[in-house]
Amino acid sequence: AQSVAQPEDQVNVAEGNPLTVKCTYSVSGNPYLFWYVQYPNRGLQFLLKYITGDNLVKGSYGFEAEFNKSQTSFHLKKPSALVSDSALYFCAVRDGGGGSYIPTFGRGTSLIVHP
Amino acid sequence: EAGVTQFPSHSVIEKGQTVTLRCDPISGHDNLYWYRRVMGKEIKFLLHFVKESKQDESGMPNNRFLAERTGGTYSTLKVQPAELEDSGVYFCASSQLTSLNTDTQYFGPGTRLTVL
Repeated sequence: AQSVAQPEDQVNVAEGNPLTVKCTYSVSGNPYLFWYVQYPNRGLQFLLKYITGDNLVKGSYGFEAEFNKSQTSFHLKKPSALVSDSALYFCAVRDGGGGSYIPTFGRGTSLIVHP
Repeated sequence: EAGVTQFPSHSVIEKGQTVTLRCDPISGHDNLYWYRRVMGKEIKFLLHFVKESKQDESGMPNNRFLAERTGGTYSTLKVQPAELEDSGVYFCASSQLTSLNTDTQYFGPGTRLTVL
């Protein structure tokens, strides 16, 4: 069975500093990986996805994520955090190896960017 | 282009009552998904429609939950009778009918259901 772990319930970072939101996964086939963000009182917004190709994926709002097969990780990063980045972030995985196409989500990580 | 919309945004009902949630997907999206997130936990899959047909309903908790998508446009999710453990945020998502493993799902704002 596939799974996603977001080991940190909350990440605190000062505005202007780099941020990392961690995600590790387990899947039997090739991993298709996704990041979503949920701002307060809003739905989930798609940030970026990794399907194949370059391990560094660039997405919306200056975010990027690096696929690391050996560490089974897909950490979300941004070089310089903004207060407006404060939100709930979800990582998700799907099986690209012929298994279930249904995504498995992590529990979410609350990112708080302090002014 | 309008995004995925859901109605109502909030619903507070008593145990034993019935509630119907509605989702309007992005126009032209044949795939429609329902998910639920219980406070502080994962977002969990409930079911998937392709047009008006149920493709996968393996995540539906029990027979108190009934989803429909008549005509392949909007969808409803009815909970009857509601129980305390049904409380949570119900998300709807839609996508175009491409590869199901790689399609990007676009989510609605969710319906927060509270069962007292």
